[in-house]
Amino acid sequence: QSALTQPASVSGSPGQSITISCTGTNSDVGSYNLVSWYQQHPGKAPKLIIYEGSKWPSGLSNRFSGSKSGNTASLTISGLQAEDEADYYCCSYAGSSTWVFGGGTKLTVL
Amino acid sequence: QVQLVQSGAEVKKPGASVKVSCKASGYTFSGFYMQWVRQAPGQGLEWMGWINPNSGFTKYAQNFQGRVTMTRDMSITTAYMELSGLTSDDTAMYYCARDKGEHADYWGQGTLVTVSS
Repeated sequence: QSALTQPASVSGSPGQSITISCTGTNSDVGSYNLVSWYQQHPGKAPKLIIYEGSKWPSGLSNRFSGSKSGNTASLTISGLQAEDEADYYCCSYAGSSTWVFGGGTKLTVL
Repeated sequence: QVQLVQSGAEVKKPGASVKVSCKASGYTFSGFYMQWVRQAPGQGLEWMGWINPNSGFTKYAQNFQGRVTMTRDMSITTAYMELSGLTSDDTAMYYCARDKGEHADYWGQGTLVTVSS
């Protein structure tokens, strides 16, 4: 299956909110409420920040929120902080016990 | 606490195979599928497949069918991913990750595999 589509980069100033989109098809994002989002800092392993579309792992900041409309999932980060600068990846269940990742989005905090 | 500790970096020649291990601790190994994901230098994440440690059943991504084999050793709570027929395109960081139900809640530190003649 093809990778989910994410913008290559987004940017925002401290304190602002940004949204990263993740567009799939009606075979993955559109068919299941099983989109997860991962944050990856340089040289580090990915870290789960949202699962099942909009749920937070325990202990994680609620500045991160997820939503979905049709074939597009979105990650919103509110109150941007310098430490949020990282790469962000969406991932969706794609049926038949398979997963598909997005191409990743580089977030720059200005 | 949940930990996934992977084996060290590998350098392989084209055509060779590599086997990466992922030692799990801090939870019931048999209770969670193990996913494998790779990341080429400067590129995004690519899903490779999973293994059910309880049954040994596997599911592989189409891109890796015929080249990847995922196994496990329950006695030492370790999962393995073996990739054969290596080319320079397989140079990447390989991650294992615990599947909590269609999302990966804990990740290994990654194993860098370099394919070079």
